[in-house]
Amino acid sequence: NAGVMQNPRHLVRRRGQEARLRCSPMKGHSHVYWYRQLPEEGLKFMVYLQKENIIDESGMPKERFSAEFPKEGPSILRIQQVVRGDSAAYFCASSPLQGNEQYFGPGTRLTVT
Amino acid sequence: GDSVTQMEGPVTLSEEAFLTINCTYTATGYPSLFWYVQYPGEGLQLLLKATKADDKGSNKGFEATYRKETTSFHLEKGSVQVSDSAVYFCAPLSNSGYALNFGKGTSLLVTP
Repeated sequence: NAGVMQNPRHLVRRRGQEARLRCSPMKGHSHVYWYRQLPEEGLKFMVYLQKENIIDESGMPKERFSAEFPKEGPSILRIQQVVRGDSAAYFCASSPLQGNEQYFGPGTRLTVT
Repeated sequence: GDSVTQMEGPVTLSEEAFLTINCTYTATGYPSLFWYVQYPGEGLQLLLKATKADDKGSNKGFEATYRKETTSFHLEKGSVQVSDSAVYFCAPLSNSGYALNFGKGTSLLVTP
């Protein structure tokens, strides 16, 4: 059973460009979570999604950031008009049920130049 | 709001030494508690968990006991190996019931 998959693993964007991060949950998991890890910090919750539904996006910046988890295909975290402060590691996790242990992907390391 | 406090790192130990990484948290109620480990350049792996008071989670020689009186979930291992070198994160489940609250992580370096 493949684990949580994220791509790309590394992404370099210039200021003002868009970044699209993809996450495929483990088979059988319908709950997806995105976290951001800034340098020397722990992970911070961004958004929780189920298929076609955003359950909680309270941890996501109000502007430029959006997330989706369509009926078919991976979950996407989209950052428009990136700025240097967006440079971080973005981790996706999935679980079979809400409140269960979460399984993490390898992360996407975004660098904004 | 909820918070998690982990001991400051880096922690440097010799192989076969005893390890303790302290973790205390604030929360409403009695959340499930998790320890995750992050090896260099990789994502987080679930190490162990405990879901109710006095539960002991264990895996790969690591243990942690859910202490509701002290709101603590300290990680221990009797004899560390070089391969245990990693960053360890304590993560209680938040009041939301789905978001994890992470500590800042404790870096462990085990030397031969």
